[in-house]
Amino acid sequence: GAVVSQHPSWVICKSGTSVKIECRSLDFQATTMFWYRQFPKQSLMLMATSNEGSKATYEQGVEKDKFLINHASLTLSTLTVTSAHPEDSSFYICSARGGGGSSYNEQFFGPGTRLTVL
Amino acid sequence: AQSVTQPDIHITVSEGASLELRCNYSYGATPYLFWYVQSPGQGLQLLLKYFSGDTLVQGIKGFEAEFKRSQSSFNLRKPSVHWSDAAEYFCAVGVGFKTIFGAGTRLFVKA
Repeated sequence: GAVVSQHPSWVICKSGTSVKIECRSLDFQATTMFWYRQFPKQSLMLMATSNEGSKATYEQGVEKDKFLINHASLTLSTLTVTSAHPEDSSFYICSARGGGGSSYNEQFFGPGTRLTVL
Repeated sequence: AQSVTQPDIHITVSEGASLELRCNYSYGATPYLFWYVQSPGQGLQLLLKYFSGDTLVQGIKGFEAEFKRSQSSFNLRKPSVHWSDAAEYFCAVGVGFKTIFGAGTRLFVKA
């Protein structure tokens, strides 16, 4: 099956710093990538959807200036948490979708990145 | 609006006993349905999926799920649970180009 990787798998940073998380589709071209956030013992919350070469679409309530998403190529999307604070500590999961259009295509999920902000 | 409901926040079963995790969805068209499992601190692993065809779907690790359109359900089953099955299970539906997740059901397995 299609493989999606994330890097780093975990990161600890100081409050006020920025952290970049990478999401890569290893064996297919991802026209769309998704970023999710998961709080402890909760479900996945979709943060934003990004299409290659265009601006990301953020879900309601997600601060686009805090969570910068770049989808510069068909195999790479990045999420940058700017000026991170302890409340940004969470598990961030990306997924990637091949194909195109607005119909559903299966998403493939990365292994997640654990962010801890001190 | 589309939604996924997992009525059971947590379930405890004895090792070797059968398991059924419930999932109901709300979606007008024929949905794309998924079950994922997540171990603590880990990412999601796809157990099985339903896109069309046979309504009884076989997955990995001995899991199966049955799509029942009349009940808008996609319940996950396993005939004999192993201690290693203890994890969080998420039902999800593919809508448009998004995936909508249920709240999850935590499975505890007792010896």
